[in-house]
Amino acid sequence: DQQVKQNSPSLSVQEGRISILNCDYTNSMFDYFLWYKKYPAEGPTFLISISSIKDKNEDGRFTVFLNKSAKHLSLHIVPSQPGDSAVYFCAADLAYSGAGSYQLTFGKGTKLSVIP
Amino acid sequence: GAGVSQSPRYKVAKRGQDVALRCDPISGHVSLFWYQQALGQGPEFLTYFQNEAQLDKSGLPSDRFFAERPEGSVSTLKIQRTQQEDSAVYLCASSPPGTGQDEQYFGPGTRLTVT
Repeated sequence: DQQVKQNSPSLSVQEGRISILNCDYTNSMFDYFLWYKKYPAEGPTFLISISSIKDKNEDGRFTVFLNKSAKHLSLHIVPSQPGDSAVYFCAADLAYSGAGSYQLTFGKGTKLSVIP
Repeated sequence: GAGVSQSPRYKVAKRGQDVALRCDPISGHVSLFWYQQALGQGPEFLTYFQNEAQLDKSGLPSDRFFAERPEGSVSTLKIQRTQQEDSAVYLCASSPPGTGQDEQYFGPGTRLTVT
């Protein structure tokens, strides 16, 4: 049973527009969420995170929104740039719930293509 | 500075062979993680070390999988009697002391193909 779901395998966006990547989770115990970006033949790179005590975190062009009641988070990229083209993974953790090992549960990823 | 490195980058093994995958974490990083990423899937947690202690191995799929980090730096993931379902990219990540979840730095992975 997949606990973190990214239902859109791919997304295409025009350069300069907003990219919105979505993620849903089923485990209400998750309390820390992260987005990773991955280029081909490279490992995932941390992008931005949010704790469950917040509903928004912003870092430059990247903003993550968390809706705990809906068990949903989204990543907004504004404005989108061609260099943002990559696979984006949503991940969740039981950081403060006693698991203690920081094991991340990942979604399957969404491939973002930003068209110049 | 140098990031997490993994070797080999690619490995082809015949079914039944044993393989060993190496991870060199960033110097000074206390925590080390192994993940398995099957084609079209996200990474799945395998095991976690803090220094030389293996604190969580709940994600290892079978007793054919074994990981070690004897001196608290380099780690090796060993898979015995490989099966076709073991074909995947094996990712290693490390994190420095005193940091939270956002500080997992991933290596490029080892792509294992079992024929």
